[in-house]
Amino acid sequence: AQTVTQSQPEMSVQEAETVTLSCTYDTSESDYYLFWYKQPPSRQMILVIRQEAYKQQNATENRFSVNFQKAAKSFSLKISDSQLGDAAMYFCAYRSASNSGYALNFGKGTSLLVTP
Amino acid sequence: ETGVTQTPRHLVMGMTNKKSLKCEQHLGHNAMYWYKQSAKKPLELMFVYSLEERVENNSVPSRFSPECPNSSHLFLHLHTLQPEDSALYLCASSQDSSGGAGQETQYFGPGTRLLVL
Repeated sequence: AQTVTQSQPEMSVQEAETVTLSCTYDTSESDYYLFWYKQPPSRQMILVIRQEAYKQQNATENRFSVNFQKAAKSFSLKISDSQLGDAAMYFCAYRSASNSGYALNFGKGTSLLVTP
Repeated sequence: ETGVTQTPRHLVMGMTNKKSLKCEQHLGHNAMYWYKQSAKKPLELMFVYSLEERVENNSVPSRFSPECPNSSHLFLHLHTLQPEDSALYLCASSQDSSGGAGQETQYFGPGTRLLVL
């Protein structure tokens, strides 16, 4: 099974600053999808950004961007111009692109604190 | 209602009770999922339904029984649970295309916080 590792249990960033959350994964597959989800205190899991492994270009969504390093199996999330509303648990997730790849494999999450 | 909804949002039950969790998706998706989120553990996939057929069951105890009557609704029937089953239960849905189940993003509901006494 593919494993996803988030080595930072907690991170802190000041408002308007930039923070990078780390994620590494282990897989023998060449085609897969990677996701970052955000879970605020309301517990709703919200998709932040998604990356297809076959695409070399890093995905971006407004203030959120990723650094996808396929050879290194690394998928970090950069949050620019951090806002108080960005405070949440952030989960990195992997999903196989095979026909049987239903499961999202999640990391343990990184708790992001945003200070004024 | 939009997106994925779950009811109830909070549930307290005794070990001898029988209860059901409900999930409804309003996104026109054809696949639905149950996940369990326990403290300090990664989310665990429990069940997957695609086109109303169960396609994955990750060694979940029989005290959890899923039901998918149609592509918009998913239930999780609970009976004789244990205190260690206390967790946040998340429902998700996706649109799985013929090109492979892994393509599509999963969208989550707000979860049901379950406490078993």
